[in-house]
Amino acid sequence: SQQGEEDPQALSIQEGENATMNCSYKTSINNLQWYRQNSGRGLVHLILIRSNEREKHSGRLRVTLDTSKKSSSLLITASRAADTASYFCATWHTGGFKTIFGAGTRLFVKA
Amino acid sequence: DVKVTQSSRYLVKRTGEKVFLECVQDMDHENMFWYRQDPGLGLRLIYFSYDVKMKEKGDIPEGYSVSREKKERFSLILESASTNQTSMYLCASSYPRGASGSHEQYFGPGTRLTVT
Repeated sequence: SQQGEEDPQALSIQEGENATMNCSYKTSINNLQWYRQNSGRGLVHLILIRSNEREKHSGRLRVTLDTSKKSSSLLITASRAADTASYFCATWHTGGFKTIFGAGTRLFVKA
Repeated sequence: DVKVTQSSRYLVKRTGEKVFLECVQDMDHENMFWYRQDPGLGLRLIYFSYDVKMKEKGDIPEGYSVSREKKERFSLILESASTNQTSMYLCASSYPRGASGSHEQYFGPGTRLTVT
């Protein structure tokens, strides 16, 4: 079964607005990662947050992790047309041996 | 920069053909992975390898095999291609798992395979 499930499945916003994507998972994790995929390309790693961390920043990206709710959110501030892509969360769960990817959120930023 | 390359961006094969997808990474990573990506299903792990000549089945290994004869190269083999194997295939590599879990994975550009 999928460990990470993103919400919403698709999101359309205007350039300059903030975009928030959520990820929920089912069992305890060691870390959670977010990746971006531009259309027809491979995935690019954005940020990793460990289970003992609550928030992490990288440029215009802000990731939060709530282990009690088994959820994470990715916030992209001041979005740009170039942020148009699919975003995936990926989890490494305690005692596991592989990273599990969700189905992704498709973000469309209108110029 | 880590570079993961895949042998083809687009590939068209006929049902029943044997298909080889090649992946090469240049960062001396121990771990390598093959995923397939289908709309609405995200990435599903086919096989992975944590060392030369080692391989482990992922979630959907049926109809596939792999080969890792050298550390930098990980091949995915479709023994007898079928139309339900039409998909985007993504290769990735990473350092070994640390105490806190997995390291980030570096992905190749993908191979879009069509089986007719």
